[in-house]
Amino acid sequence: DTGVSQNPRHKITKRGQNVTFRCDPISEHNRLYWYRQTLGQGPEFLTYFQNEAQLEKSRLLSDRFSAERPKGSFSTLEIQRTEQGDSAMYLCASSLSWGVTEAFFGQGTRLTVV
Amino acid sequence: GIQVEQSPPDLILQEGANSTLRCNFSDSVNNLQWFHQNPWGQLINLFYIPSGTKQNGRLSATTVATERYSLLYISSSQTTDSGVYFCAVELNNNNDMRFGAGTRLTVKP
Repeated sequence: DTGVSQNPRHKITKRGQNVTFRCDPISEHNRLYWYRQTLGQGPEFLTYFQNEAQLEKSRLLSDRFSAERPKGSFSTLEIQRTEQGDSAMYLCASSLSWGVTEAFFGQGTRLTVV
Repeated sequence: GIQVEQSPPDLILQEGANSTLRCNFSDSVNNLQWFHQNPWGQLINLFYIPSGTKQNGRLSATTVATERYSLLYISSSQTTDSGVYFCAVELNNNNDMRFGAGTRLTVKP
C-alpha cells in the first residue's frame, strides 16, 4: 500500500463552479477524515467517516459542501458554487478505529478559486 | 470544544541547538500525534504518543496525559528540521482529531 492518495493535487476553478476531490485511504483503515488548511493556520476539521457512516460534521461544512464514502473505501468531497474563500488546501487522513489509531495524511488537494 | 495550544508559535535556532515544543490540551484524549509539515504541505508523522516517552533519532516526545500536555524535543537541530510542527489530539468521547495552530521552526546555518 502506498499510503493515502488524493486527487487532483491542484485545482483551479472559477467562482461559482462545482469541484469534487477524491481521497483513497490506506486499504485496511476504516476511518477517514477531511480537513481544510489555509495559509499560516493549522488544519481545521471538516468531517469524518467510520466505514460508510459520516459520524461528525463541523460547522465549517456549510450546505455547499458534501462528503460521501459510499462503500466505506474511497471518499469524495464536493464543493458547490465555489467562492474565493474556499481557496485552501484540502487534506484527507485515514486511520483504524481500534488499537493503534494513528492517522496518516495524503498530500492534499490545493484549491484556488479565481 | 477541546482547546489545543502550542507554544511557542515561532522559534528561530542556530544549527546544532536544541529545542522544546509544547502542546497543551484542555480535555482527556485517546490519542496524540506530532506532525511535521513539509514545504509542499504534506503532514509527516513524527510520533503517535497518547502517553509516555518515545525517541526516534534526534527527536523525542513525551506525553503526560494526566497533566494534559506533550513535549517534542529536537536535539542538534539541522536546517532540514525547519517547517511547521503540529500536535493533534483525539478526544476520549469523540473520535475526531483536532490540531493546534502549530510552531514554526526556522533553523539557520
